[in-house]
Amino acid sequence: NAGVTQTPKFRVLKTGQSMTLLCAQDMNHEYMYWYRQDPGMGLRLIHYSVGEGTTAKGEVPDGYNVSRLKKQNFLLGLESAAPSQTSVYFCASSYSIRGSTDTQYFGPGTRLTVL
Amino acid sequence: AQSVTQLGSHVSVSEGALVLLRCNYSSSVPPYLFWYVQYPNQGLQLLLKYTSAATLVKGINGFEAEFKKSETSFHLTKPSAHMSDAAEYFCAVSVRQRDSSYKLIFGSGTRLLVRP
Repeated sequence: NAGVTQTPKFRVLKTGQSMTLLCAQDMNHEYMYWYRQDPGMGLRLIHYSVGEGTTAKGEVPDGYNVSRLKKQNFLLGLESAAPSQTSVYFCASSYSIRGSTDTQYFGPGTRLTVL
Repeated sequence: AQSVTQLGSHVSVSEGALVLLRCNYSSSVPPYLFWYVQYPNQGLQLLLKYTSAATLVKGINGFEAEFKKSETSFHLTKPSAHMSDAAEYFCAVSVRQRDSSYKLIFGSGTRLLVRP
């Protein structure tokens, strides 16, 4: 099993450009998440999904949109990139059973720079 | 609101020395707590988690953590540091949301440096 994969690994954008980050998991997990990691701030939840066709906002959703058209994929979109969105983005997934103690499995991350 | 605080953004130890990484939580209900490790240029992976079954939790790579309700702490320890333990460590708490799903709230992380 590949686990959680993310595409691309690196990207440089200019302010105002758009892009989509792709996350895929092959573990048949119900829950998927998008986080951003900034120095000294840990990971912060952007959006999450509790199942195919459903999404919800996390702590820092502004400037991002998501879609979960297939159970195994979770897309994160930036419609008009801003320098404040320079960060490392991580996708994660987990089972929904006994959700309070579920382990989240993380992808390797996407390093995004917005100039 | 539930949260976790990690004391010390950087901890430096000699190889073979005790590792102690501190995590304190704030919660009005019994918390579910996690420690994740992030090696350079990689994603996070689970070290261990507290699920109320036992207060002393053993994880991978010789790490363990003890849940102390009286001190609201969940500190991570390892008796003898190895060079391969150099990484960033995150404490997290599981929080129930309005839609009955759960999300993780992460601490700011502690970078462990291991000196030869």
